[in-house]
Amino acid sequence: AQSVAQPEDQVNVAEGNPLTVKCTYSVSGNPYLFWYVQYPNRGLQFLLKYITGDNLVKGSYGFEAEFNKSQTSFHLKKPSALVSDSALYFCAVRVSGGYNKLIFGAGTRLAVHP
Amino acid sequence: EAGVVQSPRYKIIEKKQPVAFWCNPISGHNTLYWYLQNLGQGPELLIRYENEEAVDDSQLPKDRFSAERLKGVDSTLKIQPAELGDSAVYLCASSLEGHTGELFFGEGSRLTVL
Repeated sequence: AQSVAQPEDQVNVAEGNPLTVKCTYSVSGNPYLFWYVQYPNRGLQFLLKYITGDNLVKGSYGFEAEFNKSQTSFHLKKPSALVSDSALYFCAVRVSGGYNKLIFGAGTRLAVHP
Repeated sequence: EAGVVQSPRYKIIEKKQPVAFWCNPISGHNTLYWYLQNLGQGPELLIRYENEEAVDDSQLPKDRFSAERLKGVDSTLKIQPAELGDSAVYLCASSLEGHTGELFFGEGSRLTVL
């Protein structure tokens, strides 16, 4: 079955420290992977995607993600966290059956402390 | 550029009552999605439109849910009759052809069924 998992409900990090939000996936064929962010009372916003090419992809707000085919992972990273990065982060994967048919993980809440 | 607009933002109804949600996608976006987001979970696709055609409605509970996208622009999602378990946030999103996985989400309509 095609799926995406975010093993951590919450990640806590101090401002200025690096952050990682984990995501693993299971799909048939080549994966198309995405990260979205949801701030309180706001809609989800696209951050970045991996389609093909370089395993390290860069996105909005200084975030990047590393695709690892052998570990079937697509972890979101940022070298130096900001308090304003505190939000809910969703990993998503495109599944067969539709051009833009995405399934989302359950989300990870990132809390950055001053 | 205006984003995806949804209304109402909040709706409280008694069970067995009908409810409707409206979505206006970003101008020029041919694909429109309705997602359901339960508390603590990621969005789940209900229905996807390519222009005015529903190309994926496999997850839409057709006994009580219906949707339409007349003229391939605005869309309405209806629930009749509503049940307690329908309490959730209903998200609308749109995307532009050729932009794989880059969905633009509205702020959502939060439904509470009493």
